[in-house]
Amino acid sequence: DTEVTQTPKHLVMGMTNKKSLKCEQHMGHRAMYWYKQKAKKPPELMFVYSYEKLSINESVPSRFSPECPNSSLLNLHLHALQPEDSALYLCASSQDPWGAQYYGYTFGSGTRLTVV
Amino acid sequence: GESVGLHLPTLSVQEGDNSIINCAYSNSASDYFIWYKQESGKGPQFIIDIRSNMDKRQGQRVTVLLNKTVKHLSLQIAATQPGDSAVYFCAERPPGGGADGLTFGKGTHLIIQP
Repeated sequence: DTEVTQTPKHLVMGMTNKKSLKCEQHMGHRAMYWYKQKAKKPPELMFVYSYEKLSINESVPSRFSPECPNSSLLNLHLHALQPEDSALYLCASSQDPWGAQYYGYTFGSGTRLTVV
Repeated sequence: GESVGLHLPTLSVQEGDNSIINCAYSNSASDYFIWYKQESGKGPQFIIDIRSNMDKRQGQRVTVLLNKTVKHLSLQIAATQPGDSAVYFCAERPPGGGADGLTFGKGTHLIIQP
């Protein structure tokens, strides 16, 4: 299995809703990432998990709450989002968070989130 | 066809021609660089990578060039095909390994004309 799987592919939620995005990989990668991508813009890093521990939070608002239950799963819990949070949310993984390794990062297809 | 300047968002080339996509990166200490292709509605797809101790790397129909002096990357695609139509991003990894994530460049939309 050489994929990163994200669910759902599309999500529409109201500003008072609570929802979760899920990401799964079975490549044995020990670093997992959440990126946010607005239309016609590059992906922007939100969170980094290394060995299931949160190592980077790029000043993301608390209405986004990441969780890494185990080495294969990554969740992003959403609560009280704003319309400007509508975007493509991408999950990625890489093999070695700390070593001098040179492996490409594998991205999922993303969840297209619309906040209404 | 060749992109003019480093921040041209769209590059249009004839099918069969060679394409050159340019990218400026920000951190002179970045040690690893990756080119990604992103098609509409999909996540970024790995194309080719290069380490900072290299100047050039070749893959199938693609070549990446790295100029550390001016912090510049380029992606050359030979004999461009309709399936090459996509947005292309360069990405850099700062020192510290994968724990820091990737920083992406602005992207170039490659359009293939028949």
